Amino acid sequence: AQSVTQLGSHVSVSEGALVLLRCNYSSSVPPYLFWYVQYPNQGLQLLLKYTTGATLVKGINGFEAEFKKSETSFHLTKPSAHMSDAAEYFCAVSRSQGNLIFGKGTKLSVKP
Amino acid sequence: NAGVTQTPKFQVLKTGQSMTLQCAQDMNHNSMYWYRQDPGMGLRLIYYSASEGTTDKGEVPNGYNVSRLNKREFSLRLESAAPSQTSVYFCASSLDRGNTEAFFGQGTRLTVV
Repeated sequence: AQSVTQLGSHVSVSEGALVLLRCNYSSSVPPYLFWYVQYPNQGLQLLLKYTTGATLVKGINGFEAEFKKSETSFHLTKPSAHMSDAAEYFCAVSRSQGNLIFGKGTKLSVKP
Repeated sequence: NAGVTQTPKFQVLKTGQSMTLQCAQDMNHNSMYWYRQDPGMGLRLIYYSASEGTTDKGEVPNGYNVSRLNKREFSLRLESAAPSQTSVYFCASSLDRGNTEAFFGQGTRLTVV
């Protein structure tokens, strides 16, 4: 079975600071990994995904994530937070012909 | 570009009432999904349809039924609503299951009193 653990239900950073949102997964088969973002009262939209190939994945809005198989991790980072990054972020795992399994989410607050 | 359209956006039901949540996508996607989102629980899969003509249970199917009416439309029915079904419901679609991006609707906020 696959599962996702997001460490920290709330993360607060200052504007301009590094954003680091943690995600660990468990999967018995090679995983596909995703980060989605949800702004208030909206649906989810894809930030980035890892399927195969390069382990450092770049997404929209300056976010990136690195797939580390040895650590079963897929942490999301952004060098410099912006007020508009305040949202809830979800890590998700899937497999070939599988459904998305979501973590419980991390709410990011950005302080001026 | 409509993407995934859900109706209604808000609904209040009394315990025991029934209703159907509608979802349509215009991206010619094969797979469609219904999730519910509860605080601190993330998104949990209720039902999915891997392709037109098929439906399968997800993680939390009890109290729900679905219909894949055609390739575009996937509806979710609550036969006898319970307060535990108070939640935000999201419909999503993807080209296929697995490694393709899922596109989400705006959600339906359902309250059962």
